[in-house]
Amino acid sequence: AQSVSQHNHHVILSEAASLELGCNYSYGGTVNLFWYVQYPGQHLQLLLKYFSGDPLVKGIKGFEAEFIKSKFSFNLRKPSVQWSDTAEYFCAVIRPGRRALTFGSGTRLQVQP
Amino acid sequence: EAGVTQFPSHSVIEKGQTVTLRCDPISGHDNLYWYRRVMGKEIKFLLHFVKESKQDESGMPNNRFLAERTGGTYSTLKVQPAELEDSGVYFCASSTRQGKNIQYFGAGTRLSVL
Repeated sequence: AQSVSQHNHHVILSEAASLELGCNYSYGGTVNLFWYVQYPGQHLQLLLKYFSGDPLVKGIKGFEAEFIKSKFSFNLRKPSVQWSDTAEYFCAVIRPGRRALTFGSGTRLQVQP
Repeated sequence: EAGVTQFPSHSVIEKGQTVTLRCDPISGHDNLYWYRRVMGKEIKFLLHFVKESKQDESGMPNNRFLAERTGGTYSTLKVQPAELEDSGVYFCASSTRQGKNIQYFGAGTRLSVL
């Protein structure tokens, strides 16, 4: 069974629409959570991260994510997407006692102008 | 400050040949990771170096893959002999040893085995 699940594989939105991408993980204990983004032709970039503290984290380019421990979730949100947000988005987790990232399968977002 | 750089960006080889991928981490980053994404699948961990030492190689698929990091600077990942199923994008990432483990990625090497 996949340990990090991203529910949407391909999402198509119009500009100004709101975005929410789901991410669930299946590890107990303390985890570190990340969202990475890969724009077409570019390298993976860190969008935002959660280590501890306020479960609502803000990242670059107006993105935010909420860590809900009881639901093992770390969903990514943006209130109004732009055409330039077209990219592939990856949720990732560092499990307790490990240093490597465990990735979800990725969500390809296509924003239509 | 230069980011993580990977060479080559794309490699096309025939089954049975040897290919060597290179990764130059961010200067001063002791941790270096290799990951791989095969077509349609998730990005998967291959191995982790701390300086020149292999800390975790639990993700290496088989003994056709050999990773080195002599001197604790750049790293190479050799595939010998390459098989069709080795095709994919190989990513390298690095992070500092202290503090939070925030990994910075290179652009990846796309390997096509024909």
